[in-house]
Amino acid sequence: EPEVTQTPSHQVTQMGQEVILRCVPISNHLYFYWYRQILGQKVEFLVSFYNNEISEKSEIFDDQFSVERPDGSNFTLKIRSTKLEDSAMYFCASRLQRGRGPQHFGDGTRLSIL
Amino acid sequence: AQSVTQLDSHVSVSEGTPVLLRCNYSSSYSPSLFWYVQHPNKGLQLLLKYTSAATLVKGINGFEAEFKKSETSFHLTKPSAHMSDAAEYFCVVTRNRDDKIIFGKGTRLHILP
Repeated sequence: EPEVTQTPSHQVTQMGQEVILRCVPISNHLYFYWYRQILGQKVEFLVSFYNNEISEKSEIFDDQFSVERPDGSNFTLKIRSTKLEDSAMYFCASRLQRGRGPQHFGDGTRLSIL
Repeated sequence: AQSVTQLDSHVSVSEGTPVLLRCNYSSSYSPSLFWYVQHPNKGLQLLLKYTSAATLVKGINGFEAEFKKSETSFHLTKPSAHMSDAAEYFCVVTRNRDDKIIFGKGTRLHILP
């Protein structure tokens, strides 16, 4: 069964550094998402992306964050200048249909900011 | 406005006994509802989905959920718990007219031997 893959599984970065989290969504899916889960807290929506544009974003997704689909397969989340509070598990998801279709999630990238 | 409430942050049941994880939602528009499971250090796996077809939805691993519009509920059940069911469970609501996605806070299910 096709799946969403995320790399790396664990990323350790110094505060203030830029970090790029990578995702390969399911190949025929059209809608892409990033979520964040701070340890012990709920999963929070960050951003959705369709047709090479951001379609929705949350308050968390400020100017430090950006997303890109640089080619036909990758979907990346960039944090420009990391802060301690960016430490979290980041999940990528994709789905075929907007609204009704289920999202398929990757296993996540654990980001640790030192 | 949309919201999801998972009424219990922790649920403990004995192996072989029924499981009930509660979820209530509010949505201004016709919602789609999902349950996901997260095992330790793993991603989110789809258990089942409701998208306005049958109100009783069967999922993987023996789980099912019933959409009750009058009660705005979508509780997850399983007749007989197994040790491998120990995990975090998330109820998710999406709005069909756009891409708003809301997660519940999660319920951690503990299975007692």
